[in-house]
Amino acid sequence: ILNVEQSPQSLHVQEGDSTNFTCSFPSSNFYALHWYRWETAKSPEALFVMTLNGDEKKKGRISATLNTKEGYSYLYIKGSQPEDSATYLCAFFTGTASKLTFGTGTRLQVTL
Amino acid sequence: DGGITQSPKYLFRKEGQNVTLSCEQNLNHDAMYWYRQDPGQGLRLIYYSQIVNDFQKGDIAEGYSVSREKKESFPLTVTSAQKNPTAFYLCASSRPGTGVLDTQYFGPGTRLTVL
Repeated sequence: ILNVEQSPQSLHVQEGDSTNFTCSFPSSNFYALHWYRWETAKSPEALFVMTLNGDEKKKGRISATLNTKEGYSYLYIKGSQPEDSATYLCAFFTGTASKLTFGTGTRLQVTL
Repeated sequence: DGGITQSPKYLFRKEGQNVTLSCEQNLNHDAMYWYRQDPGQGLRLIYYSQIVNDFQKGDIAEGYSVSREKKESFPLTVTSAQKNPTAFYLCASSRPGTGVLDTQYFGPGTRLTVL
């Protein structure tokens, strides 16, 4: 079973703060890394799919970078807002039947 | 609206009973997946199906069974052989064909509690 780790496990920031968290994954046999956002009482939703070393994706105030050689991805949120409160999951694409191996997630709470 | 539905949202069962969780999608996706979430752990794959009438075990299939008789439906049965069935169960689907870009779409989940 592949090991995908996320840190920190949880994060509490104030509105307006910028924040970032990490996803670590095996650097060998890399295919793709997916990021999902999971808001409370909702379904997880896809944020980004990253495939190339050095990839950088952006969606509004959220961006992500990818380093496949060292096996990590960073997710950044600029100027956090309460609506950013969610659990952010990364998932390693295993190359088999579109299977994903998920990390444990980073739970972000943004307060006023 | 296209999407994935799971029912019921909350489910209670007595120890020793089998229970079936429903998952339906109208996205016309070929692939469907069942995950389990426990506190402090990531989503773990129970079973997946890439096409009708075919399915494979995931990482934690013991004590579970599935069927895929229709493209839009992928029910999961939690059997009495599952030693620790209390958990949150998520169903997902994807449209394989874009390879590494295959994004999974998730249902709202079912929380199963064994009394």
